[in-house]
Amino acid sequence: DVKVTQSSRYLVKRTGEKVFLECVQDMDHENMFWYRQDPGLGLRLIYFSYDVKMKEKGDIPEGYSVSREKKERFSLILESASTNQTSMYLCASGFPLLSRGHGYTFGSGTRLTVV
Amino acid sequence: EDKVVQSPLSLVVHEGDTVTLNCSYEVTNFRSLLWYKQEKKAPTFLFMLTSSGIEKKSGRLSSILDKKELFSILNITATQTGDSAVYLCAVEISNAGKSTFGDGTTLTVKP
Repeated sequence: DVKVTQSSRYLVKRTGEKVFLECVQDMDHENMFWYRQDPGLGLRLIYFSYDVKMKEKGDIPEGYSVSREKKERFSLILESASTNQTSMYLCASGFPLLSRGHGYTFGSGTRLTVV
Repeated sequence: EDKVVQSPLSLVVHEGDTVTLNCSYEVTNFRSLLWYKQEKKAPTFLFMLTSSGIEKKSGRLSSILDKKELFSILNITATQTGDSAVYLCAVEISNAGKSTFGDGTTLTVKP
């Protein structure tokens, strides 16, 4: 069964901490994405990557960075966590241009609370 | 700015009802429209639509795209409590390698 695995289901961090959210996929997908999901705001794209070491800003990249050192792994980094980054974070992966006729595969999400 | 708008935002029905969820879009380079179902956690893929007027069907769910009027509908017939979820519509942008999502429709099916 194909999978996107996010390292943590729930996280509680303090303001100012550096936070790492990890995502691993086993489907050999080129493209990987980080979204945050907030009530009333839908899914908003933070960053995405279409190849190893490549990254593109999404709609709300401020306060975040990413790392993709290997094809299967895409990490989201909060350099200095703030309370307004409390959210559900979803990782997704897919083939370029969704070329296999299938949408993204999502991880189960990480609910991050910054106190 | 690319935009995807879903309506209604929420809907409450009873088991056995038929529902229609709407998704309209304004994007610069349309490639495909996708529907996802999100229960407690990860959204799961339902349909990908690329051509107007061709219905995609899976069991009691079906969807169709109108590229002239820039919208899609998702129909669910004979609803069941297990259909309760957030339904997300997304449009894939052809030259950007990413999708833009709507805010979702929360469907609640009561017994």
